[in-house]
Amino acid sequence: TQLLEQSPQFLSIQEGENLTVYCNSSSVFSSLQWYRQEPGEGPVLLVTVVTGGEVKKLKRLTFQFGDARKDSSLHITAAQPGDTGLYLCAGPPGTGGGNKLTFGTGTQLKVEL
Amino acid sequence: DAGVIQSPRHEVTEMGQEVTLRCKPISGHNSLFWYRQTMMRGLELLIYFNNNVPIDDSGMPEDRFSAKMPNASFSTLKIQPSEPRDSAVYFCASTTGASYEQYFGPGTRLTVT
Repeated sequence: TQLLEQSPQFLSIQEGENLTVYCNSSSVFSSLQWYRQEPGEGPVLLVTVVTGGEVKKLKRLTFQFGDARKDSSLHITAAQPGDTGLYLCAGPPGTGGGNKLTFGTGTQLKVEL
Repeated sequence: DAGVIQSPRHEVTEMGQEVTLRCKPISGHNSLFWYRQTMMRGLELLIYFNNNVPIDDSGMPEDRFSAKMPNASFSTLKIQPSEPRDSAVYFCASTTGASYEQYFGPGTRLTVT
């Protein structure tokens, strides 16, 4: 079973601060995705990274896929209260898994004024 | 376009009662996933369908849980009999067969007393 461990589990910061969330595995993933889930809603896809070493930017969010495709990070610059939510990484669990995903353990982010 | 639709949004029932959760995937999506989310266990895949056929039900916790997809636009997840430990938020998600990018519904919050 390919597990995705996220750290930190919880993060509470002030508006304007920077933060990084990590997603780690001992297994290689063909791609990794990041989702954000707001209270009372389902997860929403933010980005997919496919190539080892790839960096993608989405406004103040920067996503990186590790060179060995075993880990990924999400960096938020100048966090805002609207960034509050549960961040989940996810990836396809290897060959034979169809198009299902394994989801990470999640990072709960709270950004306060 | 309408997203994934789930009903009901909230369900409160007594232990031993039958519960049926409903999902309408995005039109044109041929893969459908049922997840359960709790604080303790995070987001867990219960079962998924491709072209209305169940592909992997290894995540279904026990025989009390069953899922059907009679056509491309409708799926149900049934719990009979329900138990307090089934209390969770249940999500349905859909995607095209060629993609790992899943689109989630708003979830059904189930409380079994």
